[in-house]
Amino acid sequence: GAVVSQHPSRVICKSGTSVKIECRSLDFQATTMFWYRQFPKQSLMLMATSNEGSKATYEQGVEKDKFLINHASLTLSTLTVTSAHPEDSSFYICSAPKGSGQGGNEQFFGPGTRLTVL
Amino acid sequence: AQSVTQPDIHITVSEGASLELRCNYSYGATPYLFWYVQSPGQGLQLLLKYFSGDTLVQGIKGFEAEFKRSQSSFNLRKPSVHWSDAAEYFCAVGASWGKFQFGAGTQVVVTP
Repeated sequence: GAVVSQHPSRVICKSGTSVKIECRSLDFQATTMFWYRQFPKQSLMLMATSNEGSKATYEQGVEKDKFLINHASLTLSTLTVTSAHPEDSSFYICSAPKGSGQGGNEQFFGPGTRLTVL
Repeated sequence: AQSVTQPDIHITVSEGASLELRCNYSYGATPYLFWYVQSPGQGLQLLLKYFSGDTLVQGIKGFEAEFKRSQSSFNLRKPSVHWSDAAEYFCAVGASWGKFQFGAGTQVVVTP
């Protein structure tokens, strides 16, 4: 099956610093990728849709200036958490759909990145 | 608006017993439905999916799910659970453009 990777798998940073998380589709191209956030023992909440060649689309309540998304190529999307605070500590997961249209939009999820802000 | 409800937050089952996880959805069109499993600290693994056709779907690890349009349900079942099935299970509904809405998840605990 298709593979989506994330880097780093874990990151610890100081409050006020910025952290970049990469999401790569290793064996397929993805014009769209999705970023989710998961708090402990809770479900995944969609944060934003990353679009190659255009601006990301953010879900309601997600600060676009805090969570910068760049879809640099057809295989890479990055999420930068700017001026991180302890409340940003979470598990961040990306996904990329392979295929398109009816019946073809299987999502492949990355393994996630555990962010801890001290 | 689409939504997914998993009524059971936590289920405890004995090893070897059957398991059924409930999922109800609300969606304006024909939904794409999925079940994912997540082990602690890990990403999501797809168990099975329903796009169209046969309403009984077979997945990996011995799981199956049945789509019932009249009940807006997509319940996951396994006839005999193994200790390794202990994990968090998420039902999700997806739109044609790949944007997912996840249920709150059901934590499955398997006892000896």
